[in-house]
Amino acid sequence: AQTVTQSQPEMSVQEAETVTLSCTYDTSESDYYLFWYKQPPSRQMILVIRQEAYKQQNATENRFSVNFQKAAKSFSLKISDSQLGDAAMYFCAYRSSDGGATNKLIFGTGTLLAVQP
Amino acid sequence: GAVVSQHPSRVICKSGTSVKIECRSLDFQATTMFWYRQFPKQSLMLMATSNEGSKATYEQGVEKDKFLINHASLTLSTLTVTSAHPEDSSFYICSARGTGGSGNTIYFGEGSWLTVV
Repeated sequence: AQTVTQSQPEMSVQEAETVTLSCTYDTSESDYYLFWYKQPPSRQMILVIRQEAYKQQNATENRFSVNFQKAAKSFSLKISDSQLGDAAMYFCAYRSSDGGATNKLIFGTGTLLAVQP
Repeated sequence: GAVVSQHPSRVICKSGTSVKIECRSLDFQATTMFWYRQFPKQSLMLMATSNEGSKATYEQGVEKDKFLINHASLTLSTLTVTSAHPEDSSFYICSARGTGGSGNTIYFGEGSWLTVV
């Protein structure tokens, strides 16, 4: 079974600085999707970034980028120029590319990010 | 982007009664919807997967007779908590998998706070 591990329960970053959130996963599949979701105090789950495992190029979305290391099964999120609005719980998630019943998201335990002014 | 709407956002019910939570995909057809439960400061726990027109698939340990899930159309899934008890109080969140080009991304509703008194 697939698992997702986030080893940093809490992180803190100064406004305008850069922070990296770690995520590792375990799978025997070769094709899959990886996601980072942000959950602010409102509890709304917001998709931050998505990576297809078959793509070698790291995904980027404005100030958010990932470092996807498939062989190491690592998928870290880098937030550049951190803003106060980035403060939230961040969840790393895995999803099989299988279009059947295994297409559910598997979440890590989350990293609570604080942004200091 | 794709929008998933969940209603109600907050509900208080008396112990022993039933309460229904709706999850709607507003601008896309959702072949698959997921229901999660989230305890404070914890990750999302998948309760069940529902596919339009068929029975939901429940995760191990989730009582299917207590948490009734219906996915009668491509835009609506409902979760009914039957004979609710205070221990059922929690944050419930749904998500929907898109079709076609958006089928690889899962979108979340705003969540529903259930308090059983």
